Amino acid sequence: ETGVTQTPRHLVMGMTNKKSLKCEQHLGHNAMYWYKQSAKKPLELMFVYNFKEQTENNSVPSRFSPECPNSSHLFLHLHTLQPEDSALYLCASSLGDGLNTEAFFGQGTRLTVV
Amino acid sequence: AQSVTQLDSQVPVFEEAPVELRCNYSSSVSVYLFWYVQYPNQGLQLLLKYLSGSTLVKGINGFEAEFNKSQTSFHLRKPSVHISDTAEYFCAVSLQTGANNLFFGTGTRLTVIP
Repeated sequence: ETGVTQTPRHLVMGMTNKKSLKCEQHLGHNAMYWYKQSAKKPLELMFVYNFKEQTENNSVPSRFSPECPNSSHLFLHLHTLQPEDSALYLCASSLGDGLNTEAFFGQGTRLTVV
Repeated sequence: AQSVTQLDSQVPVFEEAPVELRCNYSSSVSVYLFWYVQYPNQGLQLLLKYLSGSTLVKGINGFEAEFNKSQTSFHLRKPSVHISDTAEYFCAVSLQTGANNLFFGTGTRLTVIP
């Protein structure tokens, strides 16, 4: 148990569906992150939020839309995804600016796009 | 630009034998170094980290790593592995400039054979 909770753990969606991934942490952290983990590839940083403000968007397609209503919650809204978007989506949090302090990861959401 | 290389994608080792998982990095600025472990269907968990000071870092579960600046390496070692160490291991770096980005290697799958 890392203190970062992701729901759902598994999600199957069609290419025309709209769904959302949720991440929650009560560690008092101010930075939250979305990563994409695909087979045989390094983890890809997608988005970074610091104090609810988006500080990094790593050229992610607009079919992925993040939302950070407060420092404890992070969402990833999904719409019109492609089969190649199937992956494990990991949320992480850390104290604040910079990941030179420990990042805590959730268990991930396994997304399958059909 | 910075990158992390984990040359061995898979490392099989017999139980109670020693193991070394290799990690090399390249960066034009100073970095912090991390090793994470991922058990099946789980998120990433921090094993150990190097921020400054002694180049030999001890982590959880009996793992240790040594930072070698001249060789730009941060190899992970354990003198005697257990079945429970079977997992995916990721090396990562973050820039000391404080940027919110953690660069991961492609991972090494450690399989401990009974």
